[in-house]
Amino acid sequence: AQRVTQPEKLLSVFKGAPVELKCNYSYSGSPELFWYVQYSRQRLQLLLRHISRESIKGFTADLNKGETSFHLKKPFAQEEDSAMYYCALKGGGSNYKLTFGKGTLLTVNP
Amino acid sequence: NAGVTQTPKFQVLKTGQSMTLQCAQDMNHEYMSWYRQDPGMGLRLIHYSVGAGITDQGEVPNGYNVSRSTTEDFPLRLLSAAPSQTSVYFCASSKPGLAYEQYFGPGTRLTVT
Repeated sequence: AQRVTQPEKLLSVFKGAPVELKCNYSYSGSPELFWYVQYSRQRLQLLLRHISRESIKGFTADLNKGETSFHLKKPFAQEEDSAMYYCALKGGGSNYKLTFGKGTLLTVNP
Repeated sequence: NAGVTQTPKFQVLKTGQSMTLQCAQDMNHEYMSWYRQDPGMGLRLIHYSVGAGITDQGEVPNGYNVSRSTTEDFPLRLLSAAPSQTSVYFCASSKPGLAYEQYFGPGTRLTVT
């Protein structure tokens, strides 16, 4: 079974402060991990995936297989980063299903 | 491209009523799925389809039916609505081989009284 845990329902930081949204997963094979974001009144959309090792909107996430984690980080939070963030896991092979965590609502205060 | 469209945007049902939530995509995506989003529960997969004529159950399929007669459409049916089905429902689609990059619809907010 595959499971994604996001331990924080709510996270509040001030503008310019570093932010880290935690994600831990459980999966017996080689997982693919992703972060999705839902801004207010917008659709849920893919933010980044671990395979690409890219930085999107200043966010990065590193897959740590030893700690089974895929935390999302940004060194200097901006007010426009306020949104709901979901960590998601896709099993290997032809498994199309994405398993989402329960989400973390990030609020960046001015 | 309209992307993924869902109708209606809002719906109120009485317990026991039936209805169909519509989902359509114009991107020729083979993979489509339905999720429900509840506070504190995140997104949970209801049903999904890997192509026309092929559907399968997700994490929370009870009380819902789906069919996939065309690539474009993937309706979700509630046969006998219950208050526990009050939720926001999202439809998503993706290309084969890129199932992780799901394109989501705007959602349908359903209230069952």
